[in-house]
Amino acid sequence: DTEVTQTPKHLVMGMTNKKSLKCEQHMGHRAMYWYKQKAKKPPELMFVYSYEKLSINESVPSRFSPECPNSSLLNLHLHALQPEDSALYLCASSQGTGNTGELFFGEGSRLTVL
Amino acid sequence: GEDVEQSLFLSVREGDSSVINCTYTDSSSTYLYWYKQEPGAGLQLLTYIFSNMDMKQDQRLTVLLNKKDKHLSLRIADTQTGDSAIYFCAETLHTYSGAGSYQLTFGKGTKLSVIP
Repeated sequence: DTEVTQTPKHLVMGMTNKKSLKCEQHMGHRAMYWYKQKAKKPPELMFVYSYEKLSINESVPSRFSPECPNSSLLNLHLHALQPEDSALYLCASSQGTGNTGELFFGEGSRLTVL
Repeated sequence: GEDVEQSLFLSVREGDSSVINCTYTDSSSTYLYWYKQEPGAGLQLLTYIFSNMDMKQDQRLTVLLNKKDKHLSLRIADTQTGDSAIYFCAETLHTYSGAGSYQLTFGKGTKLSVIP
């Protein structure tokens, strides 16, 4: 299984809603990532978890709250978002040290904030 | 600092070769990557090259690395309509946090259009 699975594929939410994006991998990878991608732009790193601990937070607003319940799962909790937060949210995972640093990406969750 | 530059668009005829270019600034990058993104989809790793290599070939793909000029290129031979996508060049240092995670810096992406 070389897949990173993200749900939901599409999400529409209002600015007062609370929702979550989910990501799952069963490759035994110990690093997991959230990226945000706006249209016609490259992905921008938001968070990195290494061994289920948050190791990087790229100055992301607190309305985005990541969670790593176990080594296979990564969540992104969303609350009080703004319309400019509409984007494709990509999850990725990597094996860790001693390899080529390849990131395996999911298909993304396309978020629209009304 | 890290910065990766790519031209934004490339248009080629089906059957021709495509060459996508990239320049990067961080000379300590260990690996350099080419990712492909089709419309509405995630990123797929096409190929990578280790910084001590000059060239890597993988079927229709050839990667050339000029470390002195910090220039990376991806050549796609016999380009097909299915190759139409956005291609991202990316660089990374070996390990970011010491716990096995990698921080990639992506270029802005080159949109390849293949004309039948």
